Amino acid sequence: QVQLVQSGAEVKKPGSSVKVSCKASGGSFSGYGISWVRQAPGQGLEWMGVIIPGLGTTNYAQKFQDRVTISADESTSTAYMELSSLTSEDTAVYYCARDVVRLDVWGQGTTVIVSS
Amino acid sequence: EVVLTQSPGTLSLSPGERATLSCRTSQSVSSYYFAWYQQKPGQAPRLLIYGASNRATGIPDRFSGSGSGTDFTLTINRLEPEDFAVYYCQQYNSSPGYTFGQGTRLEVK
Repeated sequence: QVQLVQSGAEVKKPGSSVKVSCKASGGSFSGYGISWVRQAPGQGLEWMGVIIPGLGTTNYAQKFQDRVTISADESTSTAYMELSSLTSEDTAVYYCARDVVRLDVWGQGTTVIVSS
Repeated sequence: EVVLTQSPGTLSLSPGERATLSCRTSQSVSSYYFAWYQQKPGQAPRLLIYGASNRATGIPDRFSGSGSGTDFTLTINRLEPEDFAVYYCQQYNSSPGYTFGQGTRLEVK
């Protein structure tokens, strides 16, 4: 049974970057994708992008194309999401999820607060 | 980009009743790539239904999904106290990827 465990909460200054990790355990890391989804306070779900570690390919939502980098380290079964040029509007909970053309296993979420 | 519109925004029902949640898409989408999620406060979303009508692992059979094209429905029979939550529909397309509805809040009447 695959489980995804994310890194801890972050507080960042406007203009800086944040890198969130997502470690998979309990199954093969290369047989599926890892998507990243965020949720601003009191708001809905917003997909940011996906990586397929076994292929090394990524696909980003157009909104985040210029600011997000999703990567993966197969040796540690860990995926990463780095978001740059942070503003207060990036304050949100960031989730990773196993992507098998549906998001069937989710991490616990990482709170990122952007504040001066 | 495909827009998903959920209705109603809030649904007030009592335990034991049936809930019917709707999701309409701005253009026809493949049922294979359509899903429903449940989210409770402070928790990550949970996959309920995939492929428009297939229950995910461990999901009780009181949850069912139906629909095709532009109209999809999530039905919850005999509401249990733990079913009161926010529900999101979702579709996948290679570009721009996943899009979600705005959510329906199912609350206790």
